[in-house]
This record gives sequence, structure tokens and C-alpha cells, in this order.
Amino acid sequence: GQNIDQPTEMTATEGAIVQINCTYQTSGFNGLFWYQQHAGEAPTFLSYNVLDGLEEKGRFSSFLSRSKGYSYLLLKELQMKDSASYLCAVRDSNYQLIWGAGTKLIIKP
Amino acid sequence: GAVVSQHPSRVICKSGTSVKIECRSLDFQATTMFWYRQFPKQSLMLMATSNEGSKATYEQGVEKDKFLINHASLTLSTLTVTSAHPEDSSFYICSASDRVVYSTGELFFGEGSRLTVL
Repeated sequence: GQNIDQPTEMTATEGAIVQINCTYQTSGFNGLFWYQQHAGEAPTFLSYNVLDGLEEKGRFSSFLSRSKGYSYLLLKELQMKDSASYLCAVRDSNYQLIWGAGTKLIIKP
Repeated sequence: GAVVSQHPSRVICKSGTSVKIECRSLDFQATTMFWYRQFPKQSLMLMATSNEGSKATYEQGVEKDKFLINHASLTLSTLTVTSAHPEDSSFYICSASDRVVYSTGELFFGEGSRLTVL
């Protein structure tokens, strides 16, 4: 079966750095996505990786290793507004998006 | 980025009634729209994929007679929850894409609709 694993919850301090990991087992691979979802709101797009390596976008970076079935989202200079759930999703060989359960990130002052 | 609008954002209804949720792409033509359902502390569950002008493709386990999806135009798709029951209470989210958007991978989501069935 297809599976996406990410930690259920993480806690970090304002101003610090946090890394959210995602491992996947899917039938084929056509890209990995990270979305941010605040409570009670719809997800918003953060990043897209299809090739191995690091994609940097401001305070957020996303890394992919296809051979290891692994990705991480790196958030720097954490702000209170970064408190949210972070969803990892993989597009399989049929271009279906497989979603992880999300990682709830709690930022403390 | 592209804008997708979903309405209503919250709806409370009595058991046995039907509820319609609208999803509109405001600044692009959405050839494909996706309907998701999300229970508290769980991930998005794809319910169905709808292409403009054709019947929706439902995921396994989703009752097509209960969750009616209509995608009559390139800017509007509707989800109707028929004869709603308390177990249908959930957060329903639509997302839309056109060919260009889909190829880059980014999906644009509506604001979501929280349905509470009493």
C-alpha cells in the first residue's frame, strides 16, 4: 500500500529552527509537496520538490531524496504565526496526491 | 496565485436534510476540481475528482448517491450532501487546477466548509 509518515506533533521556540521529516512509500513518484494548514482553514502551498536536493524559499526550505523516500521541511527564524499543521503529500505514478496526516507544530515564546 | 472561493464556510443543518457547497475558481478556468473531506486531527481524504462536463470519479468507499458532485462549468463545481446525518459532519475542502497549474503541481484550495449535522 501507499504510505506517508510524518511526526504527529513537534514543539519549537520562537526564533529557532525546526525540521519536519516526511518518509514515503508510494507506487511511483511525480513530486512531493509541503502545505501549511492553520486550524480550521484550508491548506496553502509551501513547496514542491521533484528532483533531489534542497529548495529554498525565504525562511522555508524543503529537501528531497528520492532514493531514500525522504523529505524534510526546514523552518528558520520561527515566528508565532508559524504555529500550524504541515502536510506532506506525494504525487504517485497516476498523478494522484497521497497525503500524510500532518505534523502539528507548536511554537512557544 | 490563483483564487478558489468556497461557500458557505459554515453550515449547520438538521439530520435528513441536504446541503450544497459551492466551489468557484475566480481567476482561471478549472478543468479539474477535487473534493476533500477532513476529520479533526486527520489528513485530507480525497472524495472525488471532477472534470468539467463529465461525471465525477469517486474514490473507493465514497457513496456517489450521497455525495453528488456537479461540475457544469469551468469555474464552478458543487458538492451536495444528501440526507445528511451526524456522521457526515466534517470539514469539506475543494481544490482546483487547470492544465498549467496541475503540471507544476500546485493546487489551490478553497477556504473549506465546516458542516455540522444535528
